[in-house]
Amino acid sequence: AQSVAQPEDQVNVAEGNPLTVKCTYSVSGNPYLFWYVQYPNRGLQFLLKYITGDNLVKGSYGFEAEFNKSQTSFHLKKPSALVSDSALYFCAVRGGGGFKTIFGAGTRLFVKA
Amino acid sequence: NAGVTQTPKFQVLKTGQSMTLQCAQDMNHEYMSWYRQDPGMGLRLIHYSVGAGITDQGEVPNGYNVSRSTTEDFPLRLLSAAPSQTSVYFCASSSAEGATEAFFGQGTRLTVV
Repeated sequence: AQSVAQPEDQVNVAEGNPLTVKCTYSVSGNPYLFWYVQYPNRGLQFLLKYITGDNLVKGSYGFEAEFNKSQTSFHLKKPSALVSDSALYFCAVRGGGGFKTIFGAGTRLFVKA
Repeated sequence: NAGVTQTPKFQVLKTGQSMTLQCAQDMNHEYMSWYRQDPGMGLRLIHYSVGAGITDQGEVPNGYNVSRSTTEDFPLRLLSAAPSQTSVYFCASSSAEGATEAFFGQGTRLTVV
């Protein structure tokens, strides 16, 4: 069965500092991995995805994520956080060859000025 | 381009009432799904469809029915509403070609009293 774990309910960082939001997954076969962001009272917006190839994936708004197959992780990173990055972030996994996409519980990011 | 449209945006139901949450997409996407979002639980998959006439259960299907008679529409039916179904519901669609990201509607906030 597919599953996603986001071990931190909340991450606090100061503006200008690097940020990391953690995600680990479990899936049969090769995974398709996604990060989405949700701002208050809005739907989810796509940030980036890993399908195959380079383990470092770059996405929207300066975010990137590193795929680590041996640790089954797909952590979201940004070199310098902005206050406007404060939002709820979701990691998601889809099993290779399937259509079901399972989401993690979400991590709330607070960036303090 | 409207994307994914959900109606209504807000709804209050009495216990035992039934209703249908509507979802329509204009991107000719084969894959559509329904999620519910609850605090601390992330997004949980209710039902999904990989094309007209094809549906399958997700993680939390009990109390909900779906059908997919057209590519564009994927309604979610609550048969007999219960307070435990108080949640925010999101519809999403994506192309079946390759591992494309999902596009989300703006959500329906449902309260069952």
